[in-house]
Amino acid sequence: AQTVTQSQPEMSVQEAETVTLSCTYDTSESNYYLFWYKQPPSRQMILVIRQEAYKQQNATENRFSVNFQKAAKSFSLKISDSQLGDTAMYFCAFMKHPLYTGANSKLTFGKGITLSVRP
Amino acid sequence: GAVVSQHPSRVICKSGTSVKIECRSLDFQATTMFWYRQFPKQSLMLMATSNEGSKATYEQGVEKDKFLINHASLTLSTLTVTSAHPEDSSFYICSAINPTLVGETQYFGPGTRLLVL
Repeated sequence: AQTVTQSQPEMSVQEAETVTLSCTYDTSESNYYLFWYKQPPSRQMILVIRQEAYKQQNATENRFSVNFQKAAKSFSLKISDSQLGDTAMYFCAFMKHPLYTGANSKLTFGKGITLSVRP
Repeated sequence: GAVVSQHPSRVICKSGTSVKIECRSLDFQATTMFWYRQFPKQSLMLMATSNEGSKATYEQGVEKDKFLINHASLTLSTLTVTSAHPEDSSFYICSAINPTLVGETQYFGPGTRLLVL
């Protein structure tokens, strides 16, 4: 079974600064996806970024980037130029690659981290 | 696109009644949808995987007779909480995968807040 660990329950960052959210995972699979989702106070889950395990290049989406270390099973999220709207709960998630594993695209979530951006 | 809607957004019901929650993919056809439950400040807990035209696959510990799932079309899945009790009060979220998009990404509905009195 897969596990996703987010060991920091809460973090705080000053507006315009950079913050890194940690995530580690455990799996015996070699083909999989990793995701970061954001859940603001509205509770709508929003995809932040996605990484395919076979790609060595770290994914980036505007101010969001990841540091994917496959051997270390680490998948951290860096938020640059933090904005007040980034205040939310952030979840790291793992999915076996359905094409290679026959799995049904189920997500395994970490416990989440609450990020507060201070004005 | 990948827009998912849920209805209702919140519902209050009396203990013993049944409540139906709808999940719709608005701009794509979803062969697979997922139902989650979330308690405040906690992570999402997968309840079941809903496949169009077949029976849902429930996670261990989830009562299939309590939480009835129907995926009758490629754009609609419903979750019915039968004989609801106060302990069923929670935030229920659905998600769907757009098979035409690369990457097997789940797109989430806005959630339904259920309060059972």
